[in-house]
Amino acid sequence: DADVTQTPRNRITKTGKRIMLECSQTKGHDRMYWYRQDPGLGLRLIYYSFDVKDINKGEISDGYSVSRQAQAKFSLSLESAIPNQTALYFCATRSGGLNTGELFFGEGSRLTVL
Amino acid sequence: GQNIDQPTEMTATEGAIVQINCTYQTSGFNGLFWYQQHAGEAPTFLSYNVLDGLEEKGRFSSFLSRSKGYSYLLLKELQMKDSASYLCAGTYGQNFVFGPGTRLSVLP
Repeated sequence: DADVTQTPRNRITKTGKRIMLECSQTKGHDRMYWYRQDPGLGLRLIYYSFDVKDINKGEISDGYSVSRQAQAKFSLSLESAIPNQTALYFCATRSGGLNTGELFFGEGSRLTVL
Repeated sequence: GQNIDQPTEMTATEGAIVQINCTYQTSGFNGLFWYQQHAGEAPTFLSYNVLDGLEEKGRFSSFLSRSKGYSYLLLKELQMKDSASYLCAGTYGQNFVFGPGTRLSVLP
């Protein structure tokens, strides 16, 4: 089983619908992140959380919200989806104890907004 | 911002050596990561440099020059399975800033 699990892996929805992407991890890491990836733009940070009571906006948080339900769970919501939110979304975790530690990524959630 | 720049596409031949360059802004910089990402899959960690110099890991090596804001990833003895995107990422404070990725195509 993957250490960082995302659901759903693929989702097609319509403009205006509410969508939630879920992420759970078994690595025991404190830090969790949501990124989106678009061709030619690389990975851009949406939100991040360093523990259950800590939520921070990233580079492109408009139109998104998050919830850190537990140390192991971090969900991303699109309250009213729009077509330019069509992208590949990645959840990632990182150990809080090491500033040299790498990010561990989930397998990605491909979202299409029609 | 903390722009990370790298070429968007490169092509090389199986068995050859390829160098993928990355430049970054030095202000607030901590360290430099390289990731490999096959199409439609998650990025996977390749290397980390925090000090100047070369870090070697089998066929892959990564170099960092902190004063020049420059890094490269060197892939030797290229194999077809090395066809992927290679992501350069700098850490600034607690966060990662990613470049656009370099799509490498390895031809027979």
